[in-house]
Amino acid sequence: EVQLQQSGPEVGRPGSSVKISCKASGYTFTDYVMNWVKQSPGQGLEWIGWIDPEYGSTDYAEKFKKKATLTADTSSSTAYIQLSSLTSEDTATYFCARLGLVTIAAISTGVMDAWGQGASVTVSS
Amino acid sequence: DTVLTQSPALAVSPGERVTISCRASESVSTLMHWYQQKPGQQPKLLIYLASHLESGVPARFSGSGSGTDFTLTIDPVEADDTATYYCQQSWNDPYTFGAGTKLELK
Repeated sequence: EVQLQQSGPEVGRPGSSVKISCKASGYTFTDYVMNWVKQSPGQGLEWIGWIDPEYGSTDYAEKFKKKATLTADTSSSTAYIQLSSLTSEDTATYFCARLGLVTIAAISTGVMDAWGQGASVTVSS
Repeated sequence: DTVLTQSPALAVSPGERVTISCRASESVSTLMHWYQQKPGQQPKLLIYLASHLESGVPARFSGSGSGTDFTLTIDPVEADDTATYYCQQSWNDPYTFGAGTKLELK
C-alpha cells in the first residue's frame, strides 16, 4: 500500500524558516515525482512545485520560487519542503502528493494519485 | 496561468443526480482531473484524463469533457459524498486547480 507520512504541525516566527517532511513507503521512491500543494485556511489548493527524487531536478510555480525549496533524501525515501522568510500568508496546510503517470490512447500525463495527510504551518510571533 | 472556474456550492438530496462543472480559460485537451476532499482530510483522486475512473472509486462517479468545458457527475448521490470537489489541469505549467465546489446533502 502506498503511504505518504508527513511530519507534525509546525509553528514558526515571522521571518524564520520551517521544514516539513514526507516519508514514502509502499513503492520505489525514485520512480515517481513528488508534488507539494498548499491549502490556506478555508481556501482551495495551490500547486507549489515538484521534485524528481532520482535526479534532484525541480520545478516551481512562479509565486513559490523564492518561498519554497524542495529536496529529497533517497536513502530514507523522504521528500522535504522548506519554507523561508515566513509571513502570515504562509499559514496553511501543506500536502505532499505523488505524481503517478497515466496513459490513455497515447496521451500521457501525471496525476496526483496518493497524498500525505497534510502538515499545518502556523506563523505566529 | 490557466484559470479553472467551478460551479458554486450545491445542495442535493440523496439519490439525486448532480453535475459539477469546471471551465478552463484555455484549452487543456483532456488533461483534466477531479479530486474529492472531505473535511479534515487530504484530497483523493477520482477521475483522471477527463473521464477515466481511478481504481477503487465507485462507478457512481463519472467525468466528461474536453477542451475548456468539463463535468463531474455523481449518480446517485449518497450521504458520504459530502465534500469539496476540485478540478485540476496538467496541460499547462503550472498545474492549476479550480476553487472547488462544495457539495452538501439536504
